[in-house]
Amino acid sequence: DIQMTQSPASLSASLGETVTIECRASEDIYSNLAWYQQKPGNSPQLLIYDANSLADGVPSRFSGSGSGTQYSLKINSLQSEDVASYFCQQYNNYPYTFGAGTKLELK
Amino acid sequence: QVQLKESGPGLVQPSETLSLTCTVSGFSLTSYSVSWVRQPSGKGPEWMGRMWYDGDTAYNSALKSRLSISRDTSKNQVFLKMNSLQTDDTGTYYCTRDPVMDAWGQGASVTVSS
Repeated sequence: DIQMTQSPASLSASLGETVTIECRASEDIYSNLAWYQQKPGNSPQLLIYDANSLADGVPSRFSGSGSGTQYSLKINSLQSEDVASYFCQQYNNYPYTFGAGTKLELK
Repeated sequence: QVQLKESGPGLVQPSETLSLTCTVSGFSLTSYSVSWVRQPSGKGPEWMGRMWYDGDTAYNSALKSRLSISRDTSKNQVFLKMNSLQTDDTGTYYCTRDPVMDAWGQGASVTVSS
């Protein structure tokens, strides 16, 4: 199985700050990577797919980048509604696998 | 409007079988695949398996011996059955629309306990 290592596990940032979350795959996943946001008590919501494509309705302050085994999610100008957990997920190989998550809080 | 909704019992006895139903609307099961994903409280999600749009299935090898996914296209429903449940199967179970999981159900909370 492909292991997805996400960092950091938790993150505290101020409003308006830029935040970056990293995800490393144990082998090349050829940009078959998605990022999800999950607020407490809610289902995960798709933010980014194919490593850098913004899902419908997602604010443009979210962006994804990377290739091979290294990927990142960037949030520009952090807003209060961005407080959530974030997960990466590879869909290059079965079984699809997720990172353990990054919990983002406001400082 | 694309919607998915999970239904099923909230409490299952250890060693018993879990049966969940995912009812979809706003898209066709013959055009899109549907995956089942579960998430223990406070942990990352785990992909369980998929019902392809053509009726084929794929399973997480870690669960394959216990898991079965089927569908009824006339009712717009996808079914999950998993046997021999243990306490570490407790969590929230979601169905999602594939290929990327761009729509999720609200989730079904499942507790395995006697």
